Amino acid sequence: GAGVSQSPSNKVTEKGKDVELRCDPISGHTALYWYRQSLGQGLEFLIYFQGNSAPDKSGLPSDRFSAERTGGSVSTLTIQRTQQEDSAVYLCASSSQGNTEAFFGQGTRLTVV
Amino acid sequence: GDSVTQMEGPVTLSEEAFLTINCTYTATGYPSLFWYVQYPGEGLQLLLKATKADDKGSNKGFEATYRKETTSFHLEKGSVQVSDSAVYFCALYDSRQLTFGSGTQLTVLP
Repeated sequence: GAGVSQSPSNKVTEKGKDVELRCDPISGHTALYWYRQSLGQGLEFLIYFQGNSAPDKSGLPSDRFSAERTGGSVSTLTIQRTQQEDSAVYLCASSSQGNTEAFFGQGTRLTVV
Repeated sequence: GDSVTQMEGPVTLSEEAFLTINCTYTATGYPSLFWYVQYPGEGLQLLLKATKADDKGSNKGFEATYRKETTSFHLEKGSVQVSDSAVYFCALYDSRQLTFGSGTQLTVLP
């Protein structure tokens, strides 16, 4: 596609439910990032995929968070047993190999009630 | 690990005022440096970048110079416009991860 696409754009879920957030990166981009942006806060790094290498999961805040990237393209971020503090905008970005510029999606606004 | 520290906001300026948003970084190697901007209701987009020491990135009247000796990448604009109101993020890339600062909210009043 023309840009990074994330879905859904908004998600309201009940505390304790599981959610899946999807990211479609720009075609051909080998690097994919997930970040979290809480209200009034900066960008918190969550996870980074680069090609076929093992992902850098160092930013995942707890074992309730996981992510996968299938076929080196689409990525899904899963949050299990959601908590109110998980409420935030989840941003996905991709970049091409050797190019350090990252292109961001519009984000998924997650609200846990 | 790598880190980016940028000027706390919010910053409020009158139209045509001079803007400086400070950014300093800590990195073990020779990172690339970026400024990203997030306009109200929009996603993050790259504003400018510099990939080596003494490089100057520029776009839309904004400039930032990669200063290795002071580990800084301050954002400047000589005359801001109302349309520049946004959140500005300084970032670095070290061939492994893109690390962001906390963001600075800029409001420009007419």
